[in-house]
Amino acid sequence: DGGITQSPKYLFRKEGQNVTLSCEQNLNHDAMYWYRQDPGQGLRLIYYSQIVNDFQKGDIAEGYSVSREKKESFPLTVTSAQKNPTAFYLCASSGRGSGANVLTFGAGSRLTVL
Amino acid sequence: DAKTTQPPSMDCAEGRAANLPCNHSTISGNEYVYWYRQIHSQGPQYIIHGLKNNETNEMASLIITEDRKSSTLILPHATLRDTAVYYCIVRTHRDDKIIFGKGTRLHILP
Repeated sequence: DGGITQSPKYLFRKEGQNVTLSCEQNLNHDAMYWYRQDPGQGLRLIYYSQIVNDFQKGDIAEGYSVSREKKESFPLTVTSAQKNPTAFYLCASSGRGSGANVLTFGAGSRLTVL
Repeated sequence: DAKTTQPPSMDCAEGRAANLPCNHSTISGNEYVYWYRQIHSQGPQYIIHGLKNNETNEMASLIITEDRKSSTLILPHATLRDTAVYYCIVRTHRDDKIIFGKGTRLHILP
């Protein structure tokens, strides 16, 4: 089945450690996105990528880094510089053809900093 | 900032139609209106989208005003499983900086 796979589903990290969240899609989508969600809040855009080897900062990129070496993969690293990393992280992808393009989301990764 | 405005929460009785409004007064001619919903602790799920005309699918109907400055998502017979946060967004087909607002939390009352 086509879709987006995020891993791990739950992750615990000590303060000062970097952690990488995986996002893989087999939808042949060009665009991929990372969002952060805090309890009771909406989705905030961290980074997005339109094509391989290119990505742009969203509204809250500080303390995060990404790479896009393959079309199907868009990993997110939460660095020790991110002051409040405990959150629910969502990855999504979308086509970029003519007409409407629907966002498809993964199931999310919940990061807790101890 | 999000290009849409939605009420933070709404209630609807089970079995009745749920009508969720969205204001997008600055929408441009090539921007589509999309609706997604997020059930607790899951990834958002696509519901429906439209450009100018009203749309209907197996999940919902979308009514877009003639001036396109607002829209309404209609769930015709709400069930408890429709309890979720509903997000309305606008974007072009090439718009890659996709911004979500806080959405509307819909409570279905038994």
